Amino acid sequence: EDQVTQSPEALRLQEGESSSLNCSYTVSGLRGLFWYRQDPGKGPEFLFTLYSAGEEKEKERLKATLTKKESFLHITAPKPEDSATYLCAVPVSTSGTYKYIFGTGTRLKVLA
Amino acid sequence: DGGITQSPKYLFRKEGQNVTLSCEQNLNHDAMYWYRQDPGQGLRLIYYSQIVNDFQKGDIAEGYSVSREKKESFPLTVTSAQKNPTAFYLCVSSRFWTEAFFGQGTRLTVV
Repeated sequence: EDQVTQSPEALRLQEGESSSLNCSYTVSGLRGLFWYRQDPGKGPEFLFTLYSAGEEKEKERLKATLTKKESFLHITAPKPEDSATYLCAVPVSTSGTYKYIFGTGTRLKVLA
Repeated sequence: DGGITQSPKYLFRKEGQNVTLSCEQNLNHDAMYWYRQDPGQGLRLIYYSQIVNDFQKGDIAEGYSVSREKKESFPLTVTSAQKNPTAFYLCVSSRFWTEAFFGQGTRLTVV
């Protein structure tokens, strides 16, 4: 069964304290893995796409990496404005169509 | 600017009433999706459509209906058969297998 699992569910960091969020996936034939940021009461905002193991993408304090079983979102020297829920997703095929499976997210709180 | 527009932002439904959530996109995407988000439960797929005049049920389609008469539009109706409709509803669009883009959501509350 296709599945995406994120950990931890919640994470509290002090400003400047680097850490990583994990997204483990079980899909047959990965066609991409996507990371999103969601602020309270808003729709998720697209961050990164990763297609193959070993690939890395960076944006400001965020870096996403991909292996054959999981993806990490590394946050370097976070600031309070990085506080949000981070979601990962993969597209999966079903009966000739495709849909997206999302993880339940990691709620990040960065304290000043 | 290209994007996905959901309306209204807030919607209140009385018991036994049907309500329709609007979703319009100008990204020229073929696929559109409706997800429901509840606290602690992540995103659950309600309905999706890959082409005009065709759509598929997702994991929690009961009590909902959709139409896809135009490529740009994918409205969702929450019927009176949906017993627990209070949630945050997200419309999504994408090109084949690529990253999905979200609207800003509609928060539906039963009063």
